[in-house]
Amino acid sequence: DSGVTQTPKHLITATGQRVTLRCSPRSGDLSVYWYQQSLDQGLQFLIQYYNGEERAKGNILERFSAQQFPDLHSELNLSSLELGDSALYFCASSVAREETQYFGPGTRLLVL
Amino acid sequence: EDKVVQSPLSLVVHEGDTVTLNCSYEVTNFRSLLWYKQEKKAPTFLFMLTSSGIEKKSGRLSSILDKKELFSILNITATQTGDSAVYLCAGGDAGKSTFGDGTTLTVKP
Repeated sequence: DSGVTQTPKHLITATGQRVTLRCSPRSGDLSVYWYQQSLDQGLQFLIQYYNGEERAKGNILERFSAQQFPDLHSELNLSSLELGDSALYFCASSVAREETQYFGPGTRLLVL
Repeated sequence: EDKVVQSPLSLVVHEGDTVTLNCSYEVTNFRSLLWYKQEKKAPTFLFMLTSSGIEKKSGRLSSILDKKELFSILNITATQTGDSAVYLCAGGDAGKSTFGDGTTLTVKP
């Protein structure tokens, strides 16, 4: 158990819908990262927040957005969902920006 | 575009064998190379390498980084069936890591 929690574990929704994935980092960690892992694309970095501010952006679609709240938990919002958005979404946290990342158990999203 | 390439893509060995997994990278603003083990769940951290030539060890696993050749290896000695997993390496600064596709290791009894 890494200490990073993610909810929900599984999510099944329809195309065109919007969902919110939630992540609570390890106690004391200020950085939160979001990743998408699909079968055909491997693990892809989406976005990083540090102490409430966006710090790095990867291959995140415009339909996706994220934020980190004052209590350091983070949410990833996925809108206008498409079939291809079906994937495992991981959140990771680290103490600071260039430290080891610890991954949560992931949220498995299925878009039908 | 940043790129991390792992080889081999998959490997099947028998218990007790020694394996070497390879990771090459082309990453701007490179700061560290990370190795993760992923079973049927989230990746778990193995090593973080920032300096060339310094081997990091944890039990039967060890890893080393060559910043001149842009290359890292992960060695596993005396493999066990519990080592069966996908091994991922990632390069870059911790905020924008680029992951390789992974090496799938299968250890047969």
